[in-house]
Amino acid sequence: QQQVKQSPQSLIVQKGGISIINCAYENTAFDYFPWYQQFPGKGPALLIAIRPDVSEKKEGRFTISFNKSAKQFSLHIMDSQPGDSATYFCAASRGNYGGATNKLIFGTGTLLAVQP
Amino acid sequence: ETGVTQSPTHLIKTRGQQVTLRCSSQSGHNTVSWYQQALGQGPQFIFQYYREEENGRGNFPPRFSGLQFPNYSSELNVNALELDDSALYLCASSAGLVTGELFFGEGSRLTVL
Repeated sequence: QQQVKQSPQSLIVQKGGISIINCAYENTAFDYFPWYQQFPGKGPALLIAIRPDVSEKKEGRFTISFNKSAKQFSLHIMDSQPGDSATYFCAASRGNYGGATNKLIFGTGTLLAVQP
Repeated sequence: ETGVTQSPTHLIKTRGQQVTLRCSSQSGHNTVSWYQQALGQGPQFIFQYYREEENGRGNFPPRFSGLQFPNYSSELNVNALELDDSALYLCASSAGLVTGELFFGEGSRLTVL
């Protein structure tokens, strides 16, 4: 059962353009929504994360937009650079209450290619 | 500060064999999680260890087992290997159970023939 749906599967953007990746979740108990970046041969690395008490979070060129009522969140990469070319994963988890772990449920990933 | 390290980086096994993968957590982290990442897919949670006890398990059969040691390093053991076990196995450490950043290693690439 996939609880986090990610789109698109792949994305090609010109240098300087905006990259947008979308995710939708089902479990309303989720309260932590990170985005991870993974380069070939490397493990995923946290890029930016948001909690549902805010609708937007910005860190440098990376912004998360969060829509709690629609159960959707998205990653925007402004001024995309060739060095941003990687696979991006959205994820979600519940807080550590009631014996829950902080396990992450990942989306299926988006392969981003930024063309020079 | 030493990051998460995993060994071996690559290994090849045949169906039915057993494998042990190792992980050293980041300094100061007492929680280790293991994930399986099939080719072209997102990581899937296998289980998590906190203070040497299993604390949560994903949808994986009992032939996937683990250990955490007093120094918080961890092992993932898989018995009776199947072809579908071929994947990248990722270890992630964190400072406690409260939801927050997971620090991933580079993974162990397992191929089952």
